[in-house]
Amino acid sequence: QQPVQSPQAVILREGEDAVINCSSSKALYSVHWYRQKHGEAPVFLMILLKGGEQKGHEKISASFNEKKQQSSLYLTASQLSYSGTYFCGTERGATNKLIFGTGTLLAVQP
Amino acid sequence: GAVVSQHPSWVICKSGTSVKIECRSLDFQATTMFWYRQFPKQSLMLMATSNEGSKATYEQGVEKDKFLINHASLTLSTLTVTSAHPEDSSFYICSAISGRGYGYTFGSGTRLTVV
Repeated sequence: QQPVQSPQAVILREGEDAVINCSSSKALYSVHWYRQKHGEAPVFLMILLKGGEQKGHEKISASFNEKKQQSSLYLTASQLSYSGTYFCGTERGATNKLIFGTGTLLAVQP
Repeated sequence: GAVVSQHPSWVICKSGTSVKIECRSLDFQATTMFWYRQFPKQSLMLMATSNEGSKATYEQGVEKDKFLINHASLTLSTLTVTSAHPEDSSFYICSAISGRGYGYTFGSGTRLTVV
């Protein structure tokens, strides 16, 4: 069963902030975040390996709540280049199998 | 950085024919590779895990006789869609783990259209 993301879609103006949530019904071993542009392969954003971890790069950050089996991705002062579909990915146990979430379509407008 | 090369980028084939897709890790060894399928406006669905030197592990609902996976070396995995039909038309993507904590590196994907 794949993780559920919310919202399904969001439209922003340049400079606005957004939060994307990822929730799993099963225990999470780690959480990955990817961005996919239309017709292209997903691009790795970051990975969180343990509960309570928070990580960021430039204006994109993420947190991982292991107990709640949730992760959130925070996009600050969005840019046009942030547009795309964001997927969380979770590994179950140590299988290394990456299961993608339902996806969130993000559109940033000028 | 780690690079995974996938070939071809797109292919159009006739119904009933077979298509082979290659996935190569260019600058690292990948004992395990993964194959995904993505239909328009949907998420990536894991099809199978490809293990070097052994049989692939397929996800529930994926026909192993239709989607043949071969992982003959540490840098190459192939997916063959046999007797392709229009419903097999999709975006197929491979991935590999380049190192713990670095996420998965994806190939550029192959868009298969069966006519």
